[in-house]
Amino acid sequence: SAVISQKPSRDICQRGTSLTIQCQVDSQVTMMFWYRQQPGQSLTLIATANQGSEATYESGFVIDKFPISRPNLTFSTLTVSNMSPEDSSIYLCSEISVTDTQYFGPGTRLTVL
Amino acid sequence: QKEVEQDPGPLSVPEGAIVSLNCTYSNSAFQYFMWYRQYSRKGPELLMYTYSSGNKEDGRFTAQVDKSSKYISLFIRDSQPSDSATYLCAMSDNDYKLSFGAGTTVTVRA
Repeated sequence: SAVISQKPSRDICQRGTSLTIQCQVDSQVTMMFWYRQQPGQSLTLIATANQGSEATYESGFVIDKFPISRPNLTFSTLTVSNMSPEDSSIYLCSEISVTDTQYFGPGTRLTVL
Repeated sequence: QKEVEQDPGPLSVPEGAIVSLNCTYSNSAFQYFMWYRQYSRKGPELLMYTYSSGNKEDGRFTAQVDKSSKYISLFIRDSQPSDSATYLCAMSDNDYKLSFGAGTTVTVRA
């Protein structure tokens, strides 16, 4: 599997601000996804990060709140905009390997005050 | 009703015991089934991946899928304290978008 890194690993932010999370994969991958894991809950898919085009969002998630970029096959960013305490979560990126299995990054732990 | 239901736990077992974890699902389009292990403050780690009914074994881990009953299981034999973690079942159809169970927290007591 590819090695996936995320920056920052954690952050504490003030209400109303925005945070951009970076996801870097060490080899070219076809598909990348962003998930959210709210406290004590399982993972929920936010969107598919498409290379060179707009991300595809799941129901309940919108581009204005979670803009995503994917300028090339190894890098993607997720921005959490106009944050509120309800956005406190772990945000994870994932990639699909050549064997069609999905691997996750270490996550970014976000706390919004 | 959630698409994927997972036995909530938590489970606490003595070292050496067999751990049994279960999930049911409602979407008959799901074709790919995974189990992930997640340690505290870490990302999910892929343990098992299967796409057919039946059993798949990897060391101390056995994944079982019954598509007719929409039921999957993970068995951990000879459990060790290092197996203490949260286990997540996940599944998808052809689009790779994973639907997760809520997770079961397992503690293996030394």
